[in-house]
Amino acid sequence: EDQVTQSPEALRLQEGESSSLNCSYTVSGLRGLFWYRQDPGKGPEFLFTLYSAGEEKEKERLKATLTKKESFLHITAPKPEDSATYLCAVSKTSYDKVIFGPGTSLSVIP
Amino acid sequence: GAGVSQTPSNKVTEKGKYVELRCDPISGHTALYWYRQSLGQGPEFLIYFQGTGAADDSGLPNDRFFAVRPEGSVSTLKIQRTERGDSAVYLCASSSGPAREQYFGPGTRLTVT
Repeated sequence: EDQVTQSPEALRLQEGESSSLNCSYTVSGLRGLFWYRQDPGKGPEFLFTLYSAGEEKEKERLKATLTKKESFLHITAPKPEDSATYLCAVSKTSYDKVIFGPGTSLSVIP
Repeated sequence: GAGVSQTPSNKVTEKGKYVELRCDPISGHTALYWYRQSLGQGPEFLIYFQGTGAADDSGLPNDRFFAVRPEGSVSTLKIQRTERGDSAVYLCASSSGPAREQYFGPGTRLTVT
């Protein structure tokens, strides 16, 4: 069964304390892996798309990486404004729907 | 440069009633998705449109749920005989094609009493 899991469920960091969020997937024929950020009461906001193992993308304090089984979202020297829920999602070649993971709730404390 | 809009932002209805939720995608986006999100969970796929046709409706939970996109732009999600378990935030997203980044609306919070 196609599945996306994320860990940890929640993460609390001090400002400046770097860490990584994990997204594991069991999907055959991966077409793309997506990272989104969601603030309370809002729709998810697109961050990155990764298409193949070994690919990396960066944006400000965030860096996303992809292997054949998982993706990591690395957060370097986070700030309080990075507090949000980070969602991982995958699409596969045999259908067009997108499967989301449950998300990681990140809190960055000043 | 308008983003994806959804109306209403909040909808409270009584059990058994019919509701319609509207989504206006980004102009020119051919792909449109509907999701349902419960508190503390990720969005759950409901249906995907490519143009006017429903390319994948495998996520619709039962035949009380139906969605249309008659002119390939605005879409309406219709729920008949609402149940309390239908209470959730309904999200709409559009993209330039499958497996491309999606742009989400703010969602419609549906509460069934």
